Amino acid sequence: EVQLVESGGGLVQPGGSLRLSCEASGFTFSSYDMHWVRQGSGRGLEWVSGIGIAGDTYYVGSVRGRFTISRDDAKNSFYLQMNGLGGGDTAVYYCARKVAAEDAYDIWGQGTMVTV
Amino acid sequence: DIQMTQSPSSLSAYVGDRVTITCRASQSISSYLNWYQQKPGKAPRLLIYGASSLQSGVPSRFSGSGSGTDFTLTISNLQPEDFATFYCQQSYNTPPTFGQGTKVEIK
Repeated sequence: EVQLVESGGGLVQPGGSLRLSCEASGFTFSSYDMHWVRQGSGRGLEWVSGIGIAGDTYYVGSVRGRFTISRDDAKNSFYLQMNGLGGGDTAVYYCARKVAAEDAYDIWGQGTMVTV
Repeated sequence: DIQMTQSPSSLSAYVGDRVTITCRASQSISSYLNWYQQKPGKAPRLLIYGASSLQSGVPSRFSGSGSGTDFTLTISNLQPEDFATFYCQQSYNTPPTFGQGTKVEIK
């Protein structure tokens, strides 16, 4: 079964740090760009960050310089290191697989809650 | 950043109705437009990619159209399981951006 499972969410003080993980299974992880999308309570979806198969990284402006995305293809996992957290970062964080041919996110994790 | 604006923000409809949701981009995005469905407490689900291509496994009552700046998602013969919030998303450039969502409720 194709699946993404997030972990690492929790309660953190303002200014603190947290590291989210997303473990993939059921597909060739190294062949896909992977992304993080967040959703504040009662709010819409906001793209946060993405990492390409070559390790190229992308960030939304509000997190650039504070968040770092990385991947470990040997572990079928990718990560989001979040530093300098503030109230605006409180959200459910979803990891998602991007299908290049469709240019869309076809597989999503169940989400992990981050509360600052 | 490209702004995506959906309308309406919410709507009420009966089972069996035909529902149309619109999405407008702040600049031309060609056909780089995707639609997602999200139910409470669940992750989004991809419905339509490339403005009009149906994702595998999605019922054919969902359809998408449009190009440039104006797009529509149509649900024909609305079913009880279709009541949810729908989001459009542009994949034309980075950062990818989402519309604010359209909540479809039971009338």
